[in-house]
Amino acid sequence: AQSVTQLDSHVSVSEGTPVLLRCNYSSSYSPSLFWYVQHPNKGLQLLLKYTSAATLVKGINGFEAEFKKSETSFHLTKPSAHMSDAAEYFCVVRKSGGYQKVTFGTGTKLQVIP
Amino acid sequence: DTAVSQTPKYLVTQMGNDKSIKCEQNLGHDTMYWYKQDSKKFLKIMFSYNNKELIINETVPNRFSPKSPDKAHLNLHINSLELGDSAVYFCASSQQNQPQHFGDGTRLSIL
Repeated sequence: AQSVTQLDSHVSVSEGTPVLLRCNYSSSYSPSLFWYVQHPNKGLQLLLKYTSAATLVKGINGFEAEFKKSETSFHLTKPSAHMSDAAEYFCVVRKSGGYQKVTFGTGTKLQVIP
Repeated sequence: DTAVSQTPKYLVTQMGNDKSIKCEQNLGHDTMYWYKQDSKKFLKIMFSYNNKELIINETVPNRFSPKSPDKAHLNLHINSLELGDSAVYFCASSQQNQPQHFGDGTRLSIL
């Protein structure tokens, strides 16, 4: 079984300040973890993925995430928020290997204040 | 452009009607998916096909029937539409062990 919990449904930051979107996962096996972003009226775009290589993963648009097995966390961060970062962000877990079902978190809406 | 494309983008119809949503990917992926996103943005997988074979079939009413004529297409047919079917439906595709690529969604509204 696998699950993912996004701890905040809404996060609001000022432009130019750091972003932290929290994600905790639960799985009984070695997981693959992903972050996706969804802009209004758009599909989901992959930001970054963790697949058991380096625990600090760099993604697009300046985002990165760190896999911490001891804390079962995969938080998404960015040093400085841009207005264009305002969107919905989804943390996703999947069992590594084969054609495995993915489980989405409930999403975190990021608001960036000018 | 390489992409996952779904049509139509918007679908407004009456309760009780039958409708189809089409999905095509030109990424050469071997697996395709259908997701439903509700009004609270929660995403739930409905179906997944690998090389035209059904591999994931979640608890979905049998009014929903996916059809995969080939690896590049996965269509979703819905019979006897109900108010609760109003949602955004996303198609996605992937290659084994790789992240999924999503279409822009089909916004289904039932009157």
